[in-house]
Amino acid sequence: DVKVTQSSRYLVKRTGEKVFLECVQDMDHENMFWYRQDPGLGLRLIYFSYDVKMKEKGDIPEGYSVSREKKERFSLILESASTNQTSMYLCASSHDGYEQYFGPGTRLTVT
Amino acid sequence: GQQVMQIPQYQHVQEGEDFTTYCNSSTTLSNIQWYKQRPGGHPVFLIQLVKSGEVKKQKRLTFQFGEAKKNSSLHITATQTTDVGTYFCAGLSNSGYALNFGKGTSLLVTP
Repeated sequence: DVKVTQSSRYLVKRTGEKVFLECVQDMDHENMFWYRQDPGLGLRLIYFSYDVKMKEKGDIPEGYSVSREKKERFSLILESASTNQTSMYLCASSHDGYEQYFGPGTRLTVT
Repeated sequence: GQQVMQIPQYQHVQEGEDFTTYCNSSTTLSNIQWYKQRPGGHPVFLIQLVKSGEVKKQKRLTFQFGEAKKNSSLHITATQTTDVGTYFCAGLSNSGYALNFGKGTSLLVTP
């Protein structure tokens, strides 16, 4: 079974802090994705990566950056957390053209 | 850019009633995927439709892809409480890697 893990289920950070969210997949997938999920807004794509060291902006990249140094790991970075970044963050991975496998999510609260 | 619209946003049914959610795209889709997210969980892949007019069934769930490949539907016959959750459709984005998700339909089933 494909397994996508995320470093934390719950995280509380203060405004202005630098926040790292880590995602690891164990199925050698080329593609990895970061979404945020907010009530009534569905899943919104922040960034994705189709290969090591490659990244592409999604629909809402402002305030975020990403890093993919190894194939299995994709990190989301909030350079200076703000309260409007309080959300559920979901990581996913896939082979080209196939379904996405999601991690359990990280609920981030910025106070 | 490509948008995927999904209706209704919410649906509340009595157990045993049928349920349908509809997905419409502004552009032709190469394929469409459906996901289910249980309360407190993460999205889980249900199915992918690729061909124009395709119909696929999974037990009480019937998925259709429109002839023009711009719309899709998910129909659940005789809902059960285990069907509770949010159902998302998603179309492949112009990048060829990422998915554009609809905002989802939240289904509540009352015993």
